[in-house]
Amino acid sequence: NAGVTQTPKFQVLKTGQSMTLQCAQDMNHEYMSWYRQDPGMGLRLIHYSVGAGITDQGEVPNGYNVSRSTTEDFPLRLLSAAPSQTSVYFCASSSLPGQGGGKLFFGSGTQLSVL
Amino acid sequence: SQQGEEDPQALSIQEGENATMNCSYKTSINNLQWYRQNSGRGLVHLILIRSNEREKHSGRLRVTLDTSKKSSSLLITASRAADTASYFCATDANQAGTALIFGKGTTLSVSS
Repeated sequence: NAGVTQTPKFQVLKTGQSMTLQCAQDMNHEYMSWYRQDPGMGLRLIHYSVGAGITDQGEVPNGYNVSRSTTEDFPLRLLSAAPSQTSVYFCASSSLPGQGGGKLFFGSGTQLSVL
Repeated sequence: SQQGEEDPQALSIQEGENATMNCSYKTSINNLQWYRQNSGRGLVHLILIRSNEREKHSGRLRVTLDTSKKSSSLLITASRAADTASYFCATDANQAGTALIFGKGTTLSVSS
């Protein structure tokens, strides 16, 4: 099993550009989420989804869009990149907490720089 | 604001010593989890403790939970150089148990 796969691993953008960070999992997990990690800030939740067609905002959703058309995929879109979005982005998935899940499996991260 | 806060921010010990990290949180929870992150890598789940549990063990890890004080501790016994990493606590921020919120982490350095 590949687990949680994130692409790309590295990306450099110019201010104002848009892009999509990809996340795919092969564990049939209903729950998927996106975090950003900045030095000294730990991980902050951007958006999450409890199933196909259902998404919700986390702690820092502004500037990001998500959609969940399939169980496997949960892309994160930056609509107009800003230097403040320079960060390492992690995707994570799990079974639903109510079904004995809650333990998150993480991807290896995408390092994004916005110039 | 973040739900969980770890203490201390950084901890340096010698191999063989025990390492204790603490986590405080603000609102009631369904469960609390601890994760480890090696430099430049994704997080790895260590242990989950439910709100009706007080203590849980996994190998050299011991986690306690005090819901009256809204705090948890992670004890790593007989530390090894390979335990060098950042450790994060995470709590669920809503009743459904989704929206897992992380603290800022404790950076542990174990020297040989």
